[in-house]
Amino acid sequence: AQTVTQSQPEMSVQEAETVTLSCTYDTSENNYYLFWYKQPPSRQMILVIRQEAYKQQNATENRFSVNFQKAAKSFSLKISDSQLGDTAMYFCAFTFNQFYFGTGTSLTVIP
Amino acid sequence: KAGVTQTPRYLIKTRGQQVTLSCSPISGHRSVSWYQQTPGQGLQFLFEYFSETQRNKGNFPGRFSGRQFSNSRSEMNVSTLELGDSALYLCASSALTGFNTDTQYFGPGTRLTVL
Repeated sequence: AQTVTQSQPEMSVQEAETVTLSCTYDTSENNYYLFWYKQPPSRQMILVIRQEAYKQQNATENRFSVNFQKAAKSFSLKISDSQLGDTAMYFCAFTFNQFYFGTGTSLTVIP
Repeated sequence: KAGVTQTPRYLIKTRGQQVTLSCSPISGHRSVSWYQQTPGQGLQFLFEYFSETQRNKGNFPGRFSGRQFSNSRSEMNVSTLELGDSALYLCASSALTGFNTDTQYFGPGTRLTVL
């Protein structure tokens, strides 16, 4: 069975600081995709970053980067230079045949 | 391209009624998935449709059903509504990449309140 675990229900970070959100997953598959999605309060869920499991290089999108450790089945998200607009629920997701989502981490950026 | 659209955005129903929600995927996307989102349970997968066929199904009772049309638009239906069905229902579309589902793009959701 495929599972995704986000062990930090809530986190906070000072504006302009760096924060890392954790995610682990469990699968016996070898080729899959990993994602981080962001859902701002009362707003639409949007894709933050995507990683293909066969690629060793960590994905980066502007201030967002991941630390992908395939052997450890770990996929953490680092947000640099945090901004107030980063306040949101963040979901880690894994896909093989279908999507599996974690329970989310609520991130608050403090001015 | 236009994004995923969902109608209606808000619904209020009473227990025992039924409801139909609609989702139009991004043009060219043939996979549509539905999720139920509640504060306590997070995102729960309902089902996925691809080319008018249900490809995957989550662990929900038979009161929850769906279908997909030839233009890839999808509907989900909930019959005999219960108070616990109050939730945000999200639709997501995707372009399948072989066996795997690639990036899902979400609609704004339909907020269902059951009284």
